Amino acid sequence: DTGVSQNPRHKITKRGQNVTFRCDPISEHNRLYWYRQTLGQGPEFLTYFQNEAQLEKSRLLSDRFSAERPKGSFSTLEIQRTEQGDSAMYLCASSRPPGQGAGGYTFGSGTRLTVV
Amino acid sequence: DAKTTQPPSMDCAEGRAANLPCNHSTISGNEYVYWYRQIHSQGPQYIIHGLKNNETNEMASLIITEDRKSSTLILPHATLRDTAVYYCTDSWGKLQFGAGTQVVVTP
Repeated sequence: DTGVSQNPRHKITKRGQNVTFRCDPISEHNRLYWYRQTLGQGPEFLTYFQNEAQLEKSRLLSDRFSAERPKGSFSTLEIQRTEQGDSAMYLCASSRPPGQGAGGYTFGSGTRLTVV
Repeated sequence: DAKTTQPPSMDCAEGRAANLPCNHSTISGNEYVYWYRQIHSQGPQYIIHGLKNNETNEMASLIITEDRKSSTLILPHATLRDTAVYYCTDSWGKLQFGAGTQVVVTP
């Protein structure tokens, strides 16, 4: 098991373009989370899945953002019509559900998005 | 919104114990206390968690007060590599992070 993998590590895009990030969680983890982090702040929750079901979305997740986890394995986060305010580190994490021997989340190294 | 409060920064001398406090004013009965740390440009790293009892692992010790309204993370012998932002949170499921405590370990 190689942990949580996120691709790409860095993405520079022009304002107005669409971008998509991928997250491959730890295989036995059925929960997957997306967070966004800006400089000097802690990670902000965006959304999470249990298997393929998206169970919660933050109000931070505007209609330009969409996340999918079609087969309950990897997940994608798409941002349409990017804005400069979308520049941030996008973090993915996975875990077992609470109560099922859950330790903490395992985070990936993140995708750093820069919108120019 | 963050559910916990932590001091914004803390310095610690290398080799000494670092005691990081956290207040969990709204913690409920089934919520675990979690601690993570984040070294610059990396994703947060899980350190330890607990429910009611104190816990210890190879990285740190966790002390939880009897009323569970506060916790303390103890790094028993801080090294320069422990310089990081440390986050505490409490949760049953979704974790919410505040700004954390910036810990700087000095030689």
